[in-house]
Amino acid sequence: EVKLVESGGGLVKPGGSLRLSCEGSTFMFGSFRMNWVRQAPGKGLQWVACISSGSEKTFYEDSVRGRFTISRDNDKKALYLEMNSLTAEDTAIYYCVRAVGAKASELDSWGPGTLVTVTS
Amino acid sequence: QSVLTQPPSVSGAPGQRVTISCTGGSSNIGAGYDVHWYQQIPGTAPKLLIYENRHRPSGVPDRFSASKSGTSASLVITGLQAEDEADYYCQSYDVGLTESVIFGGGTKLIVL
Repeated sequence: EVKLVESGGGLVKPGGSLRLSCEGSTFMFGSFRMNWVRQAPGKGLQWVACISSGSEKTFYEDSVRGRFTISRDNDKKALYLEMNSLTAEDTAIYYCVRAVGAKASELDSWGPGTLVTVTS
Repeated sequence: QSVLTQPPSVSGAPGQRVTISCTGGSSNIGAGYDVHWYQQIPGTAPKLLIYENRHRPSGVPDRFSASKSGTSASLVITGLQAEDEADYYCQSYDVGLTESVIFGGGTKLIVL
């Protein structure tokens, strides 16, 4: 069974920064595109960013482009999300998600999530 | 506002059949990109329910089925059970202004 575990969430002030991490295990982490998906309290799912298996390509949702940076270290089986200039609208549970299939858009395995709360 | 449109809620009695629709456009579902469905029980992470328009991962009951046509897709649940009460999300890929994974707004299934 694929295991993904996020960490790094917490309380941060508006304008602040936070770095999320995700550790993957029990699968060949370096072979898969990885994503961050978030869910604001009481709201739906919102894709945030993705990174190709070898880090050649990254894509971002419009509202986070320029503020968030997705990266990975395949040797450590780790995925990261560096978040800067945070606002209240970034408050959400952030999920680390593996992608498979054509266009690598099928999100087949999800971590339990880590909560980020942006508040003064 | 989500790129994919779903009804906010649907409901049905145990044993009944419900359908959840997902409407997209020419830059996503209509462009031929696959639709996937997720089930999210409150307080837990989403779980892949249907992949590539109509396929069930191992362990998903055959009460769940889905299809895609044109710019829309549908999830059908037959023989409703109390445990099916959850939020359901459709998801696809969009190549409009930028390439991105897109979700529907989610549909809350209420089992009466």
